[in-house]
Amino acid sequence: DIVMTQSPDSLAVSLGERATINCKSSQSVLYRSDNNNYLAWYQQKPGQPPKLLIYWASTRESGVPDRFSGSGSGTDFTLTISSLQAEDVAVYYCQQYYSSPFTFGQGTKLEIK
Amino acid sequence: QVHLQESGPGLVKPSETLSLTCTVSGGSISSFYWSWIRQPPGKGPEWIGYIYFSGSTKYNPSLRSRVTISVDTSKNQFSLKLASVTAADTAVYYCARAPRSFPWFDPWGQGTLVTVSS
Repeated sequence: DIVMTQSPDSLAVSLGERATINCKSSQSVLYRSDNNNYLAWYQQKPGQPPKLLIYWASTRESGVPDRFSGSGSGTDFTLTISSLQAEDVAVYYCQQYYSSPFTFGQGTKLEIK
Repeated sequence: QVHLQESGPGLVKPSETLSLTCTVSGGSISSFYWSWIRQPPGKGPEWIGYIYFSGSTKYNPSLRSRVTISVDTSKNQFSLKLASVTAADTAVYYCARAPRSFPWFDPWGQGTLVTVSS
């Protein structure tokens, strides 16, 4: 199984500041034949299911604010929130879909400083 | 806009079988892959498996011996059975749509908490 490891486990950022969450996979999730990274990011607020933010490592889902962006390739990925808003307080998860079983990171809890 | 809703018992006794159903509304189940995912309290999600509308399935090897996912296209529903449950199977169980065979998951149902206890 591909193990997804996120850092940090928790993060406190001031409103309007940048938040950066990292995700590392135990093996590359870059599929050479199509040059795509099989990596998604989700946001989960308390009492709610995870919500898809980004897929193919950097493609923003329809309706997701453009302050959310994804980057990285191979084994190292980053979710960036360019200017933190109060409604962004949540737990964020990365997920690989390069190989089955499809696995998630342990989550990063984002709070307001 | 497609909507998914889980239903089933919230309490299951150890060694018994957990059974849940996901009802899909706002779209046909006769396309896409339909998945079950669970999340133990305070932990990250764990993919259980999925079914294609044609009936083909893929399961997480860690659960394969105990899991069955089935689909009823006439009711726009798919179901999960997990046999021989223990306390370690206590979790919020979600159903979700998967757009491809190597998928991300979107949307998700609201989830249902299943507790395994005598």
